[in-house]
Amino acid sequence: DQQVKQNSPSLSVQEGRISILNCDYTNSMFDYFLWYKKYPAEGPTFLISISSIKDKNEDGRFTVFLNKSAKHLSLHIVPSQPGDSAVYFCAASADGNQFYFGTGTSLTVIP
Amino acid sequence: GAGVSQSPSNKVTEKGKDVELRCDPISGHTALYWYRQSLGQGLEFLIYFQGNSAPDKSGLPSDRFSAERTGGSVSTLTIQRTQQEDSAVYLCASSIRRSNQPQHFGDGTRLSIL
Repeated sequence: DQQVKQNSPSLSVQEGRISILNCDYTNSMFDYFLWYKKYPAEGPTFLISISSIKDKNEDGRFTVFLNKSAKHLSLHIVPSQPGDSAVYFCAASADGNQFYFGTGTSLTVIP
Repeated sequence: GAGVSQSPSNKVTEKGKDVELRCDPISGHTALYWYRQSLGQGLEFLIYFQGNSAPDKSGLPSDRFSAERTGGSVSTLTIQRTQQEDSAVYLCASSIRRSNQPQHFGDGTRLSIL
């Protein structure tokens, strides 16, 4: 039973444009959400997080939006750069200790 | 180095053999996690250690899987009598004690069962 879902396995975006990666969750108890970025043959690296008391968190080119009523979060990257090409995982937690990950979205930024 | 270290980076073994995977977390990180990523899948939680508390083993897929964490630092994930479906990348992550902290991942061990 997948509690965190990323329904788009891949996404291609032109350099300079906005990349929007989506994530849906089913557990209404989740209150902490994260995005990780993963390059091939490397472990995921933390990108940005948001707690349920907020609906937006921004860090440079990366912004995460949380819609609690829809149980949906998204990651916006603008402007997209070729170095952003990677697999992006969203994750969620209800207790801050155990995390549930989505299946990932592979982003390709075309120069 | 200062990051999470996993060894070996790659392991190929025959079906039925036992394997041990090692994780050295970041110094001072009291929380340690093991995940598995099978081909085309997301990260599947296996087990979680927090300080001296009893580990959360709820994600271990069968009794062939076990993990230890000695001295609150290094962890070993053991898979007995390996099966082909055990083939995956096994990732270890650590985080500081406080909850709601991002995890720092190692580069994983790619396990292939022939």
